[in-house]
Amino acid sequence: EVHLVESGGGLVQPGRSLTVSCAASGFTFDDYAMHWVRHAPGKGLKWVAGISWENGNVGYADSVKGRFAISRDNAKNTLFLEMKSLRADDTALYYCVKDITSVWNGHSEQGVIFDSWGQGTLVTVSS
Amino acid sequence: SSELTQDPTVSVALGQTVKITCQGDSLAFYHTSWLQRKPGQAPLLVMSGNNLRPSGIPDRFSGSRSGNTASLTITGAQAGDEADYYCCSRDINTNAVLFGGGTKLTVL
Repeated sequence: EVHLVESGGGLVQPGRSLTVSCAASGFTFDDYAMHWVRHAPGKGLKWVAGISWENGNVGYADSVKGRFAISRDNAKNTLFLEMKSLRADDTALYYCVKDITSVWNGHSEQGVIFDSWGQGTLVTVSS
Repeated sequence: SSELTQDPTVSVALGQTVKITCQGDSLAFYHTSWLQRKPGQAPLLVMSGNNLRPSGIPDRFSGSRSGNTASLTITGAQAGDEADYYCCSRDINTNAVLFGGGTKLTVL
């Protein structure tokens, strides 16, 4: 059974940095692309970043490009999201999400399929 | 960039059929997946690709697509189906991942 367990969330001041992590188990981690998706209070789901099975291929939402960095340690089955220059509108529950393919930006007609989600880690940006 | 548009709220009487729709230019090129999110729970994949139900999802859930509109149909809605439903696909211009704004389903 797939398990995704996020950690590292908390209260952080605007302009500061925070890194959240996701420990994965129950599947061959380096066979799959992984993503971060966030859910802000009162808002809908928003894709944040994606990474292919290896670290070289990553992508970001426009709202976080240049401030956030996604990475993975396949030896430790762990996904990371380093967040810098945090703003109040980054406040959200951050979910670690498993893709069904190995590439985050594939062109399959099947589109995007996220088959497993963690419970999320809450990041609150406030002074 | 592209967008996916959903009705914010939909209601259905217990045991009746309801269709939740998602509209966007990308959907003419990519299939849509659908996620169910209940309060306090992680999102759950309920439909993907071309009407493919993940293991454990009841067959009262079905999916379809016509042009740039995708639909999730729940036949014989139950109280436990009350949740927020999100469509998800890919931006044809940027290849980024898109979510619809979500539809809150109320079962009366």
